[in-house]
Amino acid sequence: DIQMTQSPSSLSASVGDRVTITCQASQDISNYLNWYQQKPGKAPNLLIYDASDLETGVPYRFSGSGSGTDFTLTISSLQPEDIATYYCQQYDNLPFTFGPGTKVDIK
Amino acid sequence: QVQLVQSGAEVKKPGASLRLSCLASGYPFTAYAVQWVRQAPGQRLEWMALINAGNGNTRYSQRFQGRLTMTWNTSANTAYMELSSLRSEDTAVYYCARGRGVSSGLFDSWGQGTLVTVSS
Repeated sequence: DIQMTQSPSSLSASVGDRVTITCQASQDISNYLNWYQQKPGKAPNLLIYDASDLETGVPYRFSGSGSGTDFTLTISSLQPEDIATYYCQQYDNLPFTFGPGTKVDIK
Repeated sequence: QVQLVQSGAEVKKPGASLRLSCLASGYPFTAYAVQWVRQAPGQRLEWMALINAGNGNTRYSQRFQGRLTMTWNTSANTAYMELSSLRSEDTAVYYCARGRGVSSGLFDSWGQGTLVTVSS
C-alpha cells in the first residue's frame, strides 16, 4: 500500500495568514493526489483534485501543487470558515489511501 | 444537485453483520462509481471498497477481504455495503462517496455518514 504522510499535524494561524500543508507519498503517484476539507461532524469535501485543479465552487484562496511524491496545499489568506482538518489522498493505486490529516485553527 | 443519502445509525454486537445503504440522486447512477470510506474515532479516513455502478464490478481493500461485500440496485439508484464478523475496531462513521468516473478514486460527493457502534 502507498503510505501518505502530512505535516504539520496541526497548526494555528491568524486570519489573513498564508497557510501551507505538505503531503508526501511513499512512492511516485504522478499527480493522482486530492485534498479534502473536513469540518467537525461533517463529511469530507473535495477541494483540489489531480494535485492542482480547483474543484468547482471552492474559493480561489485554496491552491495545490506538486507531483511525484511531494505535494502542497496552500490557503493564501486564512478565513474563519477554513477551520477544519485537511486530508490528502492518493488514487494512483488501490487501495486508495489518505494522509493522517492536518488540523487548522485560528490563533 | 448530486446527493447521497445514507441509512441511519446502527448498534451491533461483536460477530454480527451490518448492511448500510446509499441512495444516489441528481446524476446518472450507472455512469459513476460508489465507494465506501470509514473513519474510526480520531483516525484518518480509510478506503474500503468501490463498485462500478455501470456493470457491478467491485474492488475491495485487502483489509476487509472475505467479510465485505458491495452490491447495487440500478433501478433504485442505491448501493449497499455488507460487513460481517463485526468487531469493536469496526466502530466508525461510514461514508459512501461518488467516484468521478466508473472506477475513479476521486470522491467528489459524499453521503452524510452513518455511525456504526460495535459493542457487547
